[in-house]
Amino acid sequence: AQSVTQPDIHITVSEGASLELRCNYSYGATPYLFWYVQSPGQGLQLLLKYFSGDTLVQGIKGFEAEFKRSQSSFNLRKPSVHWSDAAEYFCAVGGKDYNTDKLIFGTGTRLQVFP
Amino acid sequence: EAQVTQNPRYLITVTGKKLTVTCSQNMNHEYMSWYRQDPGLGLRQIYYSMNVEVTDKGDVPEGYKVSRKEKRNFPLILESPSPNQTSLYFCASSLSSVPLEQYFGPGTRLTVT
Repeated sequence: AQSVTQPDIHITVSEGASLELRCNYSYGATPYLFWYVQSPGQGLQLLLKYFSGDTLVQGIKGFEAEFKRSQSSFNLRKPSVHWSDAAEYFCAVGGKDYNTDKLIFGTGTRLQVFP
Repeated sequence: EAQVTQNPRYLITVTGKKLTVTCSQNMNHEYMSWYRQDPGLGLRQIYYSMNVEVTDKGDVPEGYKVSRKEKRNFPLILESPSPNQTSLYFCASSLSSVPLEQYFGPGTRLTVT
């Protein structure tokens, strides 16, 4: 079965510092990979996605993620964090699971940004 | 504006009182889904629908019902809510099931006392 692990429950960074949020997945074939962001009191917004091709994908708000098949990882990065990036971030993997198309979410990483 | 809407956004109810949370999308998406979000558990799928009149159980369907009579609407029904259904609920839609690139509604916070 598919699964997604986000090992960091909570991360704190200073404004202007770089950021990397970790995501590891378990899936037999090449998965569809997503990062979503949830600001307080809001729904989930798609940051970026990987379906195939270039393993470094660019998203909105200056985020990027790199698909590494050998490590089963899809880590999210941003070179310089802004205070408005404080939110919860979810990694998700999509594809066939027992012949059903579904999206499996990680448990999320809460990002806190200090001025 | 392309969007997924949910109503109500907040709801406090009592055990056993039937309720419906509506979900509507204006993107002509075929695939729609309901999730619940609980602390430490992430998002878990309740039900999904591949198209009109086609629905199927997700990972946590117990205590919920859905219907898909029209393409744009996908209501979530709690026939007899219980306190363990207190949660944050999200509706989502996707143009197709592969890939499952979903767009989410703003969420409905439900409290069952």
